[in-house]
Amino acid sequence: EVQLVESGGGLVQPGGSLRLSCAASGFTFSDYSMNWVRQAPGKGLEWVSSISSGSSTIYYADSVKGRFTISRDNAKNSLYLQMNSLRAEDTAVYYCARGYCSSTSCLDYWGQGTLVTVSS
Amino acid sequence: DIQMTQSPSAMSASVGDRVTITCRASQGISNYLAWFQQKPGKVPKRLIYAASTLQSGVPSRFSGSGSGTEFTLTISSLQPEDFATYYCLQHNSYPPTFGGGTKVEIK
Repeated sequence: EVQLVESGGGLVQPGGSLRLSCAASGFTFSDYSMNWVRQAPGKGLEWVSSISSGSSTIYYADSVKGRFTISRDNAKNSLYLQMNSLRAEDTAVYYCARGYCSSTSCLDYWGQGTLVTVSS
Repeated sequence: DIQMTQSPSAMSASVGDRVTITCRASQGISNYLAWFQQKPGKVPKRLIYAASTLQSGVPSRFSGSGSGTEFTLTISSLQPEDFATYYCLQHNSYPPTFGGGTKVEIK
């Protein structure tokens, strides 16, 4: 069974940093691209970032480019999102999701999400 | 970026109704279109991928159609557990973009 478990969310002040983690199990992690998707309270879904299976190809939404860094450790079956210079508008539930978005596996499985609140 | 326009944004329907939700892409996306269902406080769940392929385990009352710029999600006979918000997603090119969502409420 595919499982994705996020952690690392919490309350952080504007301008602060936070690192999210996503632990994967139930599939061969190193075979899949991975993604972060977020959802602000009461709002819709927004794709944030993608990383290829071997970390060679990375994409970011314009809204986070230059502030967020996606990475992965295939030996630890883990995905990360380093978030710097956080803003109030980054407040959201952050989901990790599996899949290469140039194929049919795009966002096929999601974790339960972790809440990031940016507030003073 | 490709914009996804989803309609309606909300609707009221009764159990047993046939429900149709539409997504329009700002440019052609072939069949790189998926549909997700999200219940309040829950994780989004993929229902359909490649515009018309049902995810394993999803009831057959759900169907998808379309190609290019116009896509449709149909629920043939709405069930109580189907009241939720539905999102389309294009993944023909980066960045992947979601529609604004359609909230299906009980009439």
